[in-house]
Amino acid sequence: DAKTTQPTSMDCAEGRAANLPCNHSTISGNEYVYWYRQIHSQGPQYIIHGLKNNETNEMASLIITEDRKSSTLILPHATLRDTAVYYCIVRVATGSARQLTFGSGTQLTVLP
Amino acid sequence: DTGVSQDPRHKITKRGQNVTFRCDPISEHNRLYWYRQTLGQGPEFLTYFQNEAQLEKSRLLSDRFSAERPKGSFSTLEIQRTEQGDSAMYLCASSRSAGAAKNIQYFGAGTRLSVL
Repeated sequence: DAKTTQPTSMDCAEGRAANLPCNHSTISGNEYVYWYRQIHSQGPQYIIHGLKNNETNEMASLIITEDRKSSTLILPHATLRDTAVYYCIVRVATGSARQLTFGSGTQLTVLP
Repeated sequence: DTGVSQDPRHKITKRGQNVTFRCDPISEHNRLYWYRQTLGQGPEFLTYFQNEAQLEKSRLLSDRFSAERPKGSFSTLEIQRTEQGDSAMYLCASSRSAGAAKNIQYFGAGTRLSVL
């Protein structure tokens, strides 16, 4: 699986959009970008995933650059409950049941 | 809520004792994963089942660790002769192998183990 690079920490004001970047310059053509988050003392929570098109669901939007070497997770209106560690993971989605390889993630702190 | 359930949530044990954790996956999920997470680190993969078959084990899974999924439903993770280095959060996840949500892993809340 391709290696990812994320900032260690970020702050965001409550009600504003939180934009979390991820670099994955060695991504292969069949690898997807997944985002999970982990709120303190809880298990990781799936947020969204995508291959090359931008994706949106009820939680967030995922913007993947045209060359697929980086992506941004957008939480449109951050709340205090969005304070968590956010993990960007690149892996093959289909066929193989590969495990998730977590890095250190980005600690997002939403400030009141 | 029919998410992944783990029991117990917390376990304190003395060094040298055996411990067993249980994971009940989402009912229609045939894949089940165990991860371990230490403070300040992301989760690390331990092992994976498809139905009752254990298909992959990490080198992190020493011979003191054993996992089972006897009927392809719930799973247990046993640690024998616990050591202080085993202190961690043990996370279970499950996923489908087919359909729209294929390979999306859903996690339980974890079992926090403290070895004294």
